[in-house]
Amino acid sequence: DVKVTQSSRYLVKRTGEKVFLECVQDMDHENMFWYRQDPGLGLRLIYFSYDVKMKEKGDIPEGYSVSREKKERFSLILESASTNQTSMYLCASLRGGADTQYFGPGTRLTVL
Amino acid sequence: QKEVEQNSGPLSVPEGAIASLNCTYSDRVSQSFFWYRQYSGKSPELIMSIYSNGDKEDGRFTAQLNKASQYVSLLIRDSQPSDSATYLCAAPAGAYSNSGYALNFGKGTSLLVTP
Repeated sequence: DVKVTQSSRYLVKRTGEKVFLECVQDMDHENMFWYRQDPGLGLRLIYFSYDVKMKEKGDIPEGYSVSREKKERFSLILESASTNQTSMYLCASLRGGADTQYFGPGTRLTVL
Repeated sequence: QKEVEQNSGPLSVPEGAIASLNCTYSDRVSQSFFWYRQYSGKSPELIMSIYSNGDKEDGRFTAQLNKASQYVSLLIRDSQPSDSATYLCAAPAGAYSNSGYALNFGKGTSLLVTP
């Protein structure tokens, strides 16, 4: 079974803090994704990585950066957290050539 | 901007009935479509994928694709209370690589199956 894990289920941070959200997958998948999910707005893609050190911006990359130093780990970084980044963050992975994205359990981030 | 549109619902059906969930998409060149189910407080999980016009059946689930009308639907036969969830329709987004692609998701349709 594919397993995608995220470092925290719930996180509370203060405005201006630097925040790291970690995602790890154990199936050697090439592709990894960060989405955020908000009521009424659905799932929106923040960043996408298709290989180590490779990344592509999604629909809403502003205020975020990512890091992929190892194939199994994809980190989302909020350089200076703001209240409008309060959201559910979902990581997903996808094997190269396949179609099924597997999601992690999500991190509910609250920025005060 | 490639868009995937769904009626947010809630769609309420009695137990044992057929639930019909609909989705339209804007990108005519999309070739593959996905239905994810998301229970409250959980992450999405894939339940169906469809690539060709027509119907695809998997147990109680049938996905239907009409590329000419840019329309995808999901039918759930013999609906059960455990089917109560939000159903997300998805199609490939603009972010592609040689090995994969990101997805554009609709906002989801909330389904409630009443006993």
